[in-house]
Amino acid sequence: DIQLAQSPSSLSASVGDRVTITCRASQSIGRYLNWYQQKPGKAPKLLIYAASSLQSGVPSKFSGSGSGTDFTLTISSLQPEDFATYYCQESYSHAWTFGQGTKVEIK
Amino acid sequence: QVQLVQSGAEVKRPGSSVKVSCKASGGTLSNYAISWVRQAPGGGLEWMGGIIPILGAANSAQKFQGRVTITADKSTNTAYMELSRLKSEDTAVYFCARHPTVVEVPSAEDHAFDIWGQGTMVTVSS
Repeated sequence: DIQLAQSPSSLSASVGDRVTITCRASQSIGRYLNWYQQKPGKAPKLLIYAASSLQSGVPSKFSGSGSGTDFTLTISSLQPEDFATYYCQESYSHAWTFGQGTKVEIK
Repeated sequence: QVQLVQSGAEVKRPGSSVKVSCKASGGTLSNYAISWVRQAPGGGLEWMGGIIPILGAANSAQKFQGRVTITADKSTNTAYMELSRLKSEDTAVYFCARHPTVVEVPSAEDHAFDIWGQGTMVTVSS
């Protein structure tokens, strides 16, 4: 099975900061990588699909990059509503594996 | 816009079964699949299995094989997930989520879980 390792597991940042989260796959998955945002008590929300495509309605401050085994999610200027947990997910296999999550907290 | 509406919270005894429903309102599930994802308290997201309702074809994660049954009723645009032989470790929020098939989105690279249900809390306790 494909494993996804996110780093860091958590981070503290200030409003206005640029934030980068990394997701590393245990084998090459091309660009079959999605990113989700989850707030407490809510369902996850799709942000990025196919490594770098912005889901309709998602602000352009979110961007994704990478291919193969290394991927990043960047938030260009962190706002109060962006404090949440972020998950990567592979769509290469039929197991739809998720990373363990990265919690973004207020500094 | 399609919404996925799930059934309500459940409390179950260890060893029993639970069946959670996920109904598409405002549209159909044609050309889409439904997956089930669970999240234990304070934990991450775990894919359990999925189904293409129009075909009735289901698959599940190896961890849940033999314990999970995923079905769908095309006539009511509803998917179901039944988990049997419940243990305390099955206490979690269970989500359904929609993702396209290659009929709807030909490039598999573009497939992602674009619409989610609100989640169903299942508590397993004696």
